[in-house]
Amino acid sequence: DAGVIQSPRHEVTEMGQEVTLRCKPISGHDYLFWYRQTMMRGLELLIYFNNNVPIDDSGMPEDRFSAKMPNASFSTLKIQPSEPRDSAVYFCASSSGLGGGADTQYFGPGTRLTVL
Amino acid sequence: SQKIEQNSEALNIQEGKTATLTCNYTNYSPAYLQWYRQDPGRGPVFLLLIRENEKEKRKERLKVTFDTTLKQSLFHITASQPADSATYLCALDLDSGYALNFGKGTSLLVTP
Repeated sequence: DAGVIQSPRHEVTEMGQEVTLRCKPISGHDYLFWYRQTMMRGLELLIYFNNNVPIDDSGMPEDRFSAKMPNASFSTLKIQPSEPRDSAVYFCASSSGLGGGADTQYFGPGTRLTVL
Repeated sequence: SQKIEQNSEALNIQEGKTATLTCNYTNYSPAYLQWYRQDPGRGPVFLLLIRENEKEKRKERLKVTFDTTLKQSLFHITASQPADSATYLCALDLDSGYALNFGKGTSLLVTP
């Protein structure tokens, strides 16, 4: 398996523009997680899905952020409109769900977002 | 609120020595604790998991301890090598069980 795939790897955009980040989880994994990483706040959980259904979105910072998982092999995180404070590295991760709370999470390479 | 603390200062050690990293937590009773490694420009990679009823776990040169009374985990790398230089993150399961709460990580630098 190719692992978790994220695109784009880098995104530079101007304030007010819409940004869409994409993720393909590992095949067969039932859980998908979106994280944001900054120096100040570390790695923060934004939202996670189980079998394509959002389970907890309490980490989504505000209404400008939305996430979808239309099928088991694809998820998007959208920011509209983007602001400079959204600049961060966004990671997608997936896990099998077989180990319960002991599940290992497999991370993608991340998308580095810069909002000017 | 739940809080995880890792040493914010980088840890510099000499090759061959044992590196010890600390993870403390408050307002928490996790069932599991995981350690991940993150290299620059890459996503975190899982290293070890320890359960609340386990005191110690080993994997090759890595050892993790879990003290639920002290609310602390220690992560040891014995016979450290320059290739061990990275940021190490501890993570605890959230109440839901499947999601993780990560510490900010500790940067380790092993010099020859």
